[in-house]
Amino acid sequence: GAGVSQSPRYKVAKRGQDVALRCDPISGHVSLFWYQQALGQGPEFLTYFQNEAQLDKSGLPSDRFFAERPEGSVSTLKIQRTQQEDSAVYLCASTGLVSRQETQYFGPGTRLLVL
Amino acid sequence: DQQVKQNSPSLSVQEGRISILNCDYTNSMFDYFLWYKKYPAEGPTFLISISSIKDKNEDGRFTVFLNKSAKHLSLHIVPSQPGDSAVYFCAASTGNQFYFGTGTSLTVIP
Repeated sequence: GAGVSQSPRYKVAKRGQDVALRCDPISGHVSLFWYQQALGQGPEFLTYFQNEAQLDKSGLPSDRFFAERPEGSVSTLKIQRTQQEDSAVYLCASTGLVSRQETQYFGPGTRLLVL
Repeated sequence: DQQVKQNSPSLSVQEGRISILNCDYTNSMFDYFLWYKKYPAEGPTFLISISSIKDKNEDGRFTVFLNKSAKHLSLHIVPSQPGDSAVYFCAASTGNQFYFGTGTSLTVIP
């Protein structure tokens, strides 16, 4: 399909386990965003890439969270030593141009449950 | 600290009537505002946006109003249709960061 895809759609992890969440943006999209959406809340900004460069990671809640986009397309969000408070839906979005007024296209999200 | 607030968690409207969803923000540096619609198990879908240099933007049945002095944003849907039933998020931007409200669940009753 032509949209943003994310995998896995659902992930159950034991506390302390490492997880990796994948985002495939729309082909050719320059900008990529990661968000965390807790139950009953709106998406909260985590980090932003322009091509392979991570320009803003101020939203990452701790040093257990790490994101990369090595070739400027697919991105991976890694969470080390998961904690129960990491349980949330992780959303990825991409835009075609650098301008922030470009529409962000969201993927369906990965629902992470940490037991 | 919630910089974008949607104080109504839910709203029910009869089909054909107007739906008004409200959003308040605290950061005067926000200069771009958006509304997204979200169905269960899907990511948010962009609806409409407005720059801070405008006070109104219209797209079909959807109109967004911005009152900068009151730091208030609203989305009007006229006429409302059952397919509009979803969660609506407002968002505000400064720089490359986007701040979302907690959402309002709209139910349009046939």
